[in-house]
Amino acid sequence: DQQVKQNSPSLSVQEGRISILNCDYTNSMFDYFLWYKKYPAEGPTFLISISSIKDKNEDGRFTVFLNKSAKHLSLHIVPSQPGDSAVYFCAASVGSNYKLTFGKGTLLTVNP
Amino acid sequence: GAGVSQSPSNKVTEKGKDVELRCDPISGHTALYWYRQSLGQGLEFLIYFQGNSAPDKSGLPSDRFSAERTGGSVSTLTIQRTQQEDSAVYLCASSSDRGFEKLFFGSGTQLSVL
Repeated sequence: DQQVKQNSPSLSVQEGRISILNCDYTNSMFDYFLWYKKYPAEGPTFLISISSIKDKNEDGRFTVFLNKSAKHLSLHIVPSQPGDSAVYFCAASVGSNYKLTFGKGTLLTVNP
Repeated sequence: GAGVSQSPSNKVTEKGKDVELRCDPISGHTALYWYRQSLGQGLEFLIYFQGNSAPDKSGLPSDRFSAERTGGSVSTLTIQRTQQEDSAVYLCASSSDRGFEKLFFGSGTQLSVL
């Protein structure tokens, strides 16, 4: 049973436009959510997170939105840059539990 | 070192052989984690170390998998009698505390079992 789902395996956008990556979860106990970015042949790196007490968190060009009632979160990248091309993983945890549950990832390609 | 180091970066083995994967965490990081990513799947939690102790081994897929950590530093993940379904990228991560923002991953070991 996949508790964190990223239904779009890939996404392609033009440089300068908005990228929206989506993530759905089924476990209502999840209350902390993160996005990681992964380049080929490298490990994932932390990008941005959000606690369930918030519905939005912003860091520069990256904003994460959380809709608890829909069990849905999204990552917005504005404006998108070619260097943003990577696989993006959504992850969730229960509290500050050390165990993260990851989605399968979405490959974002930003075209110049 | 500057980051989490994993070796080997690639390992090809025959079914039934044992393999050892090594993780050298960031110096001073007390927490260490092993995850794996099978083809087309998300990262799957395997085991967590706090110091040399492993309070949670629940993610290990079978008793063929074991891990240890010595001196609060280097960790070794051992897979005995490898099977084809063990083929995956094995990722190690470390952190100075339990904040996920401070989780640093290595680049992984690509294990291929023929």
